[in-house]
Amino acid sequence: RKEVEQDPGPFNVPEGATVAFNCTYSNSASQSFFWYRQDCRKEPKLLMSVYSSGNEDGRFTAQLNRASQYISLLIRDSKLSDSATYLCVVPNQAGTALIFGKGTTLSVSS
Amino acid sequence: GAGVSQTPSNKVTEKGKYVELRCDPISGHTALYWYRQSLGQGPEFLIYFQGTGAADDSGLPNDRFFAVRPEGSVSTLKIQRTERGDSAVYLCASSPSGRRNTQYFGPGTRLTVL
Repeated sequence: RKEVEQDPGPFNVPEGATVAFNCTYSNSASQSFFWYRQDCRKEPKLLMSVYSSGNEDGRFTAQLNRASQYISLLIRDSKLSDSATYLCVVPNQAGTALIFGKGTTLSVSS
Repeated sequence: GAGVSQTPSNKVTEKGKYVELRCDPISGHTALYWYRQSLGQGPEFLIYFQGTGAADDSGLPNDRFFAVRPEGSVSTLKIQRTERGDSAVYLCASSPSGRRNTQYFGPGTRLTVL
């Protein structure tokens, strides 16, 4: 099992749609999780941190299921500006680096 | 305040040449990281510095890759005898003391080896 695996995508949705991305991780001892957003030819930027069962920030909700080693990101009322690649991220066991999934590409159209 | 900066933004070189990529972290950040991102992949860890020392270099792919951070601020990633497979975006990130999971990325250097 890869350390961090994500839905392959791409996801093509209309404005206003609700879309969910899934991610699984292999290290059962992981305590913190992140979603980063990366625009085309730009650097990754932190979108949300997930430290317990989940958290919500406006239209974005991240959920964690420790038993299944599964993280999800839900985006409600999608906007054109949400078009980007979403990266699921878990710190490595030593806590010295971040391990990134391949990313899931979202394209929101009008 | 100023974010992480990287120079050059683009570098084109020929196979077998030597290249240096520079990273200027956010002022006061003690931790500095290098990652490499190939097309269609997420960033992959290369090396982590805490202060001047490389605390974890387990991600460096081979001995052609080397990085330094002599004064605990600016870092240089050095690649010897470049190969076409080294073509990628090289990202640098920094984080404040005690918050290694909060990493701020620079815009990257796009390296193309012909």
